[in-house]
Amino acid sequence: DAMVIQNPRYQVTQFGKPVTLSCSQTLNHNVMYWYQQKSSQAPKLLFHYYDKDFNNEADTPDNFQSRRPNTSFCFLDIRSPGLGDAAMYLCATSGGGATDTQYFGPGTRLTVL
Amino acid sequence: GQNIDQPTEMTATEGAIVQINCTYQTSGFNGLFWYQQHAGEAPTFLSYNVLDGLEEKGRFSSFLSRSKGYSYLLLKELQMKDSASYLCAVRDSNYQLIWGAGTKLIIKP
Repeated sequence: DAMVIQNPRYQVTQFGKPVTLSCSQTLNHNVMYWYQQKSSQAPKLLFHYYDKDFNNEADTPDNFQSRRPNTSFCFLDIRSPGLGDAAMYLCATSGGGATDTQYFGPGTRLTVL
Repeated sequence: GQNIDQPTEMTATEGAIVQINCTYQTSGFNGLFWYQQHAGEAPTFLSYNVLDGLEEKGRFSSFLSRSKGYSYLLLKELQMKDSASYLCAVRDSNYQLIWGAGTKLIIKP
């Protein structure tokens, strides 16, 4: 089945220790998104890529970086995680078309100690 | 500013019908989405409306009125597995998705 995969599902890191979250897709979609979602809140868009064209949201902290080495993979790097960065990180993809629906991976739950 | 409003929480009974409302104020409109999100999981796509009217998909239906900036998600024959958060999202004139905070639906036996 075509899908969006995120690894790991659960990540524990220490305050200030860099962490990388990964996302891969078999949908061959050209757009990939990274969202941060905290409990009972709306997903907050951090970045998106249209192919290799990177788009950073204006209020995304510099502490968050992203890489998309090819169509299938996208990475989220958190350079110095703080306690406030503990959240669910969601990767999504969309393939354009009339609806351009976003399809989500299962998410990575990040805990910062 | 852009805003999506949904009730924070609703409770309904198994087998009943529930309507979850969403009102929006956005800069332009290019479609409205409903997603279901179980606790600790990712959102899953439920429905898309871009024209006024009702879209029916099994037990779930979604309605849109663009002139009123209003949508609702109607869930029929509620099952315990429908306990989840339901997120409304609107695509604005820049094709950005503006998300609501979601409505937590609690189903009681």
